[in-house]
Amino acid sequence: EDQVTQSPEALRLQEGESSSLNCSYTVSGLRGLFWYRQDPGKGPEFLFTLYSAGEEKEKERLKATLTKKESFLHITAPKPEDSATYLCAGLYSSASKIIFGSGTRLSIRP
Amino acid sequence: DAGITQSPRHKVTETGTPVTLRCHQTENHRYMYWYRQDPGHGLRLIHYSYGVKDTDKGEVSDGYSVSRSKTEDFLLTLESATSSQTSVYFCAIRDGSTDTQYFGPGTRLTVL
Repeated sequence: EDQVTQSPEALRLQEGESSSLNCSYTVSGLRGLFWYRQDPGKGPEFLFTLYSAGEEKEKERLKATLTKKESFLHITAPKPEDSATYLCAGLYSSASKIIFGSGTRLSIRP
Repeated sequence: DAGITQSPRHKVTETGTPVTLRCHQTENHRYMYWYRQDPGHGLRLIHYSYGVKDTDKGEVSDGYSVSRSKTEDFLLTLESATSSQTSVYFCAIRDGSTDTQYFGPGTRLTVL
């Protein structure tokens, strides 16, 4: 069974304190790895797609990277508005399904 | 904005009643999905569709059925709602050229 696991479940940082979120996944059959941001009461908002090991994508204070068995979302000098739940998801070729992790709740204190 | 709307946005119903949630897209995407999101479980796939009248089950399909008679509409039906189906339901489309999923705003369903 394909699985996507995120850690930590929750992370509290001080404004400006950089950190990383982890996403590990079932390697076999993975076609793509996605990162989303979700604010309370809203649907997930697409951030990045990564397709191959070594690939990196950046957007403002966020950078997503992909290795052969895990992905990281690096947050540099975060601001309170970066507070949200961050989800990763794997697209698997076996059934064209997208499997989501449970998310990391990120809280940035001013 | 991927042109996805969901209706209703909020619904309260009683155990045993049928409920239908609607997802509408304006961009003619082939793939559409229904998820439920619950605390501690994240997003779980209920059903998905890969074309008109082509649907398949996800990991939590028991108690749910779907229909897709037009490209733009994907309906999720709870034939006889139970309290365990209280959840937030999200519809999504997948852009076939980029594999990216885009989500609707969600429907909050409460079954009393």
